[in-house]
Amino acid sequence: AQKVTQAQTEISVVEKEDVTLDCVYETRDTTYYLFWYKQPPSGELVFLIRRNSFDEQNEISGRYSWNFQKSTSSFNFTITASQVVDSAVYFCALFLMDTGRRALTFGSGTRLQVQP
Amino acid sequence: ETGVTQTPRHLVMGMTNKKSLKCEQHLGHNAMYWYKQSAKKPLELMFVYNFKEQTENNSVPSRFSPECPNSSHLFLHLHTLQPEDSALYLCASSQDLRTTNEKLFFGSGTQLSVL
Repeated sequence: AQKVTQAQTEISVVEKEDVTLDCVYETRDTTYYLFWYKQPPSGELVFLIRRNSFDEQNEISGRYSWNFQKSTSSFNFTITASQVVDSAVYFCALFLMDTGRRALTFGSGTRLQVQP
Repeated sequence: ETGVTQTPRHLVMGMTNKKSLKCEQHLGHNAMYWYKQSAKKPLELMFVYNFKEQTENNSVPSRFSPECPNSSHLFLHLHTLQPEDSALYLCASSQDLRTTNEKLFFGSGTQLSVL
């Protein structure tokens, strides 16, 4: 069965610090997608990134970067020079292609507090 | 206007009440979802619809009854709920379950409190 683990429940940093959110996943499928979503206080989850299992190239988008390592089944998310607006709950999620269940499995989320 | 709209934003109901949650998407998507978000727990998938047909019921108790009259609207009918059903109920949509583009767009959710 698939599983996503976000071991960090809450992280608190001071503005301008770098912060890394960890995500570890479990699946026996060979084809899958990994996602990160951001949930601000308003409630709706906002898509940040999608990565497929055959593409281990790291990605950078502004202050955000993602490190996908298949060998350790991890898909970590780093925010550089954090800002107060980054305060939110961040979810890692897994989508399987091989098995029948075509829906996202989410981790429990990491609440990030960025203090001014 | 957001792509996925949920009403009401907040709902308080007694265990004997019957209420419905509504979700509407304006994105032209064909797949819609209900997720339950409880405190300190992963988002739990409840139901999935693709082209108005239910494709998944994730062992959800029968006191939750979904309805998808068309690809743009999704309802969750609630009756005789329990206090442990108190949670944020999130609706989401995506293009089509048959594609690999499983990018979900979420509504802001309905915060449900069962007394």
